[in-house]
Amino acid sequence: TQLLEQSPQFLSIQEGENLTVYCNSSSVFSSLQWYRQEPGEGPVLLVTVVTGGEVKKLKRLTFQFGDARKDSSLHITAAQPGDTGLYLCAGAWPTGTASKLTFGTGTRLQVTL
Amino acid sequence: DADVTQTPRNRITKTGKRIMLECSQTKGHDRMYWYRQDPGLGLRLIYYSFDVKDINKGEISDGYSVSRQAQAKFSLSLESAIPNQTALYFCATSDLGKGNEQFFGPGTRLTVL
Repeated sequence: TQLLEQSPQFLSIQEGENLTVYCNSSSVFSSLQWYRQEPGEGPVLLVTVVTGGEVKKLKRLTFQFGDARKDSSLHITAAQPGDTGLYLCAGAWPTGTASKLTFGTGTRLQVTL
Repeated sequence: DADVTQTPRNRITKTGKRIMLECSQTKGHDRMYWYRQDPGLGLRLIYYSFDVKDINKGEISDGYSVSRQAQAKFSLSLESAIPNQTALYFCATSDLGKGNEQFFGPGTRLTVL
């Protein structure tokens, strides 16, 4: 069973601060996704990274895929209360001609005024 | 209207009862999934189906069964519910060749007393 460990598990910061969330595994992913989940809703995809070393930016969010495709990070610049939520990484594992996702343990972020 | 719907949204039941959770989608996707979410454990895959005639066990299928009645419908059953099946359950869909992005329903909160 492939495992994805996220750190930290909880993070409480003030508006305007920067933060980084990590997603680590001992296995190689074919691709990695980051989702955000708000209370009472299902996760929603933020980004997919595919190539080792890839960096993608989504406004104030920067996603990086490790060179060996075993880890990833999410950096938020100048956090806002609207960034509050549960952040989940998910690794795609090829299974024959198809693939499925294994989700990380999650990082719960709270941004206060 | 939501693309992925789940019914019921909340359910409280007793140990030993049979429970069915239903999922419907209007996205036209072939692939459907059932996950459970527990605090600190992220999302864990119960069953998945890549088309109407295809059903596969996920990492935690014991105590659960599924039925893919049509492309748009995928039901999860707990034949004899037990308290440690208390969790948040999510249905998701994805489209072949679209980068593994999964689209989630709003979830069903199940409590087994």
